[in-house]
Amino acid sequence: EPEVTQTPSHQVTQMGQEVILRCVPISNHLYFYWYRQILGQKVEFLVSFYNNEISEKSEIFDDQFSVERPDGSNFTLKIRSTKLEDSAMYFCASNRDRGSYNSPLHFGNGTRLTVT
Amino acid sequence: DQQVKQNSPSLSVQEGRISILNCDYTNSMFDYFLWYKKYPAEGPTFLISISSIKDKNEDGRFTVFLNKSAKHLSLHIVPSQPGDSAVYFCAAADRGSTLGRLYFGRGTQLTVWP
Repeated sequence: EPEVTQTPSHQVTQMGQEVILRCVPISNHLYFYWYRQILGQKVEFLVSFYNNEISEKSEIFDDQFSVERPDGSNFTLKIRSTKLEDSAMYFCASNRDRGSYNSPLHFGNGTRLTVT
Repeated sequence: DQQVKQNSPSLSVQEGRISILNCDYTNSMFDYFLWYKKYPAEGPTFLISISSIKDKNEDGRFTVFLNKSAKHLSLHIVPSQPGDSAVYFCAAADRGSTLGRLYFGRGTQLTVWP
């Protein structure tokens, strides 16, 4: 079964550094998302992306965050200047049809980001 | 943000018995609900969903019940198996967001013992 793949599985960075988290969504999916889960907390929505632009973003997704689909397969999340509180598991997700009504989100295994 | 609540952080059930996981929501705009299962070091995996026009949806051993008036849903697993041991997340989506913004509960750790 096709799956969403994320790299790296674990990223350690120093506060203030830029990080890029990478994802390869399922090939015939058109809608892409980033979620995150701080240890012990809920899985939280960050951003959705369709047709090369952001469709929706949460209040967490501030100017330090950006997303990009640089080619036909990758979907990236960039954090410009990391803070300690950005430490979390970041999940990429995708789905095929418009909205979760028709097709549920498929999640990757996540990238654990540790900011020191 | 407590729009989706799973009040039981853990549940322990003997193999073969029924597991019942509960979820409450507060936002009346939610009209689609999903359950995801998560093993350690993996992402959430979709299990089963239900739209607000139904009150029950069944898929094999898994059944989800929706009580709209009580803003409550539950996931029943019958019979429970040790491989079902995982964290179960309830999630909801609202009419105003058609592009996959899900609101998750905190999850319930299910342990099925032999």
